[in-house]
Amino acid sequence: DAGVIQSPRHEVTEMGQEVTLRCKPISGHDYLFWYRQTMMRGLELLIYFNNNVPIDDSGMPEDRFSAKMPNASFSTLKIQPSEPRDSAVYFCASSLGGGLVYNEQFFGPGTRLTVL
Amino acid sequence: GDSVTQMEGPVTLSEEAFLTINCTYTATGYPSLFWYVQYPGEGLQLLLKATKADDKGSNKGFEATYRKETTSFHLEKGSVQVSDSAVYFCWGGIQGAQKLVFGQGTRLTINP
Repeated sequence: DAGVIQSPRHEVTEMGQEVTLRCKPISGHDYLFWYRQTMMRGLELLIYFNNNVPIDDSGMPEDRFSAKMPNASFSTLKIQPSEPRDSAVYFCASSLGGGLVYNEQFFGPGTRLTVL
Repeated sequence: GDSVTQMEGPVTLSEEAFLTINCTYTATGYPSLFWYVQYPGEGLQLLLKATKADDKGSNKGFEATYRKETTSFHLEKGSVQVSDSAVYFCWGGIQGAQKLVFGQGTRLTINP
């Protein structure tokens, strides 16, 4: 089975540009998570969805960040406008049932974003 | 508040050495506890977990026991291999608050 798929794997953009990161969760999984990983701040949960509905977006750092899940097989994380401090590796993960705190999450390979 | 604290790295060991990476938690109630591992250039993957006190999680020769008396979930392996070189993360799942708390990660390097 294919795992979680993320695209692009690498993104280099200039400050002020819009960035869209994409994720396809594992088929049948009903939870989807977006994370950000940096050396300074470690791993941060940005937002998560259950059955395509956003449940908790309290980790989204600013209004410049937005996430959508139009259907069970696709999600996007958008940054508009981007800033150099947004440079990080962004991970998407999915899980099946069990809520936020019990079940194993399956991670994608990540998107390394560099904002110049 | 709720938190997980894990041993700072980096940790460097020789092959076949014994490994311990400490993890302690602070939480109201009893969280679910996880160890995730991140190999270079990859996403995190679950190594093991325990959802209640005295549970022992184990996988790939790694073990961790949920000890409520010491609020700990230390990761251990009896004989490490070069292929165990990775970053290890301790997580806590707080049921009441419906949130996850993350350790800062411990980078482990195993030399042949």
